[in-house]
Amino acid sequence: EAGVVQSPRYKIIEKKQPVAFWCNPISGHNTLYWYLQNLGQGPELLIRYENEEAVDDSQLPKDRFSAERLKGVDSTLKIQPAELGDSAVYLCASSLSGPDTGELFFGEGSRLTVL
Amino acid sequence: AQSVTQLGSHVSVSEGALVLLRCNYSSSVPPYLFWYVQYPNQGLQLLLKYTSAATLVKGINGFEAEFKKSETSFHLTKPSAHMSDAAEYFCAVSSGSARQLTFGSGTQLTVLP
Repeated sequence: EAGVVQSPRYKIIEKKQPVAFWCNPISGHNTLYWYLQNLGQGPELLIRYENEEAVDDSQLPKDRFSAERLKGVDSTLKIQPAELGDSAVYLCASSLSGPDTGELFFGEGSRLTVL
Repeated sequence: AQSVTQLGSHVSVSEGALVLLRCNYSSSVPPYLFWYVQYPNQGLQLLLKYTSAATLVKGINGFEAEFKKSETSFHLTKPSAHMSDAAEYFCAVSSGSARQLTFGSGTQLTVLP
């Protein structure tokens, strides 16, 4: 069974440019998460989807970040415009249901460098 | 509110020695607790989880953790370290009605030959 697929793995952009990350969750997983992982820190939740609905986006900086999960499958996370402080790894994860069981399956991440 | 504190951002052990990674949590309700492992340039992988059943939880790769409510701890152990155990380990807690998963800041484990 294929795992969570993310692309691109690496992205280097100049500040003020836009960037987008794509995530394909494990087939059948209703819940999708985007996490931000700064160097030397644990992942921090940006947004959680239950099917197409964003049920927790309280930590998403909505002035520059946006996300969508059309048709309740793939998801895209966008940053526009990017700032130097956005350099980090963006992790996508999926699970069968909510986070109660904690069994999140993570992708390999998209590492963003903003110059 | 919930939080996780991992004591020691870096831990070094010799191959064959005991591995002990410390995790303390804070939660106002009975928590679910987890350990994840992250190898370089990879995503996180679940090692084990505690969900209010047995307090001693066994996971993959010979790791285990014990839930101690009185100490609000969930330390991760392995009797004998292997070189392949070198990775970053994250403790996480999930509690409350929203069941959000909160991660600690991680512990980098180095295994010396």
